[in-house]
Amino acid sequence: EDQVTQSPEALRLQEGESSSLNCSYTVSGLRGLFWYRQDPGKGPEFLFTLYSAGEEKEKERLKATLTKKESFLHITAPKPEDSATYLCAHLDRGNQFYFGTGTSLTVIP
Amino acid sequence: DAGVTQSPTHLIKTRGQQVTLRCSPKSGHDTVSWYQQALGQGPQFIFQYYEEEERQRGNFPDRFSGHQFPNYSSELNVNALLLGDSALYLCASSLAAGANYGYTFGSGTRLTVV
Repeated sequence: EDQVTQSPEALRLQEGESSSLNCSYTVSGLRGLFWYRQDPGKGPEFLFTLYSAGEEKEKERLKATLTKKESFLHITAPKPEDSATYLCAHLDRGNQFYFGTGTSLTVIP
Repeated sequence: DAGVTQSPTHLIKTRGQQVTLRCSPKSGHDTVSWYQQALGQGPQFIFQYYEEEERQRGNFPDRFSGHQFPNYSSELNVNALLLGDSALYLCASSLAAGANYGYTFGSGTRLTVV
């Protein structure tokens, strides 16, 4: 069965302290590995889609990378406004997203 | 360009009642998927509608049903509500049922069953 596992569950960083979030996946056929940001009580906001191992994408302080078994979301010099839950998901052949449980990021000023 | 619109934003229902949630997809999108997100969990797939038909279904009981209208908007119906149905219900739209890009989520409907 397809699975997506995220770690850590929660992460507290000082402002400016860089770190990485991990997403490991077991899928029968990857059609895309997605990263979303979700603020409390809101819907997920699209960040990146990665399609093949070795691919990298960047947006402001965020950089997503993909290997055959994992994806990483690197956060460089985070700011308090980066505080949110970051969700990783893959899209299966049935067009169904499998989400991880997310990493709750808190950036302390 | 309006994104995905969901209504209502919050809803409180009594156990055993029925509820209908609504979703208007992003302009230009023709496919709607529904997800249930319990507190502290990732969203779980309920079903997907395309061309007014249910195309895919997740592991949810028949109490969960849906509909898609000719204008691509969609409804999610839940019958015989249980306390465990309390969750954030998310609608996601995309262009074409087979797309692997361009999924946009709404802000959700927070359903509380008491």
